[in-house]
Amino acid sequence: GAGVSQSPSNKVTEKGKDVELRCDPISGHTALYWYRQRLGQGLEFLIYFQGNSAPDKSGLPSDRFSAERTGESVSTLTIQRTQQEDSAVYLCASTKSRDSYGYTFGSGTRLTVV
Amino acid sequence: AQKVTQAQTEISVVEKEDVTLDCVYETRDTTYYLFWYKQPPSGELVFLIRRNSFDEQNEISGRYSWNFQKSTSSFNFTITASQVVDSAVYFCALVDRGSTLGRLYFGRGTQLTVWP
Repeated sequence: GAGVSQSPSNKVTEKGKDVELRCDPISGHTALYWYRQRLGQGLEFLIYFQGNSAPDKSGLPSDRFSAERTGESVSTLTIQRTQQEDSAVYLCASTKSRDSYGYTFGSGTRLTVV
Repeated sequence: AQKVTQAQTEISVVEKEDVTLDCVYETRDTTYYLFWYKQPPSGELVFLIRRNSFDEQNEISGRYSWNFQKSTSSFNFTITASQVVDSAVYFCALVDRGSTLGRLYFGRGTQLTVWP
């Protein structure tokens, strides 16, 4: 597609429920990143995918967070047993490769845990 | 370790005023890129500029200009004759070119409000 697409744009969930966030990168972009933006904060790195290589999960805050990506296509970020501190905007970015440095960001998913 | 500091949390100006957003960074790498992004209320990050660590020339694009000084590890952003549409959160970010991840390190952002 023309840009990075994220869905849903907004999600309200009850504490303890699982949620799945989706990111559809730009076609041909091999590198994909997930970031979390808490209210009034900068973006925190969560996870990185590069082609078919093993993802770098060093930024995931707990084992309740996981992400998958099939090849160079869609990625899903799953948060299990959501907590109120998970409330944030989750942003996805893609780039042609990890050393091309031309990042395109999606509009994000605003997650609210009540 | 990499770190980006945007000391100004919020700035308010009146239209047509000039405003400078500060960015100070830390990195041990000698090759890196610096970025500025704009985040309007709609939420997406809009790319404004990317600067290579080897290129210290200042850049001007319309009402926007950037002052990169390696000696002070700063990459400041000036908006001349600000407009209401400039109201947004602005993020400064860094990526080390030697990184195996290519991950961006962001500052906390500066909320700019331009009043009519």
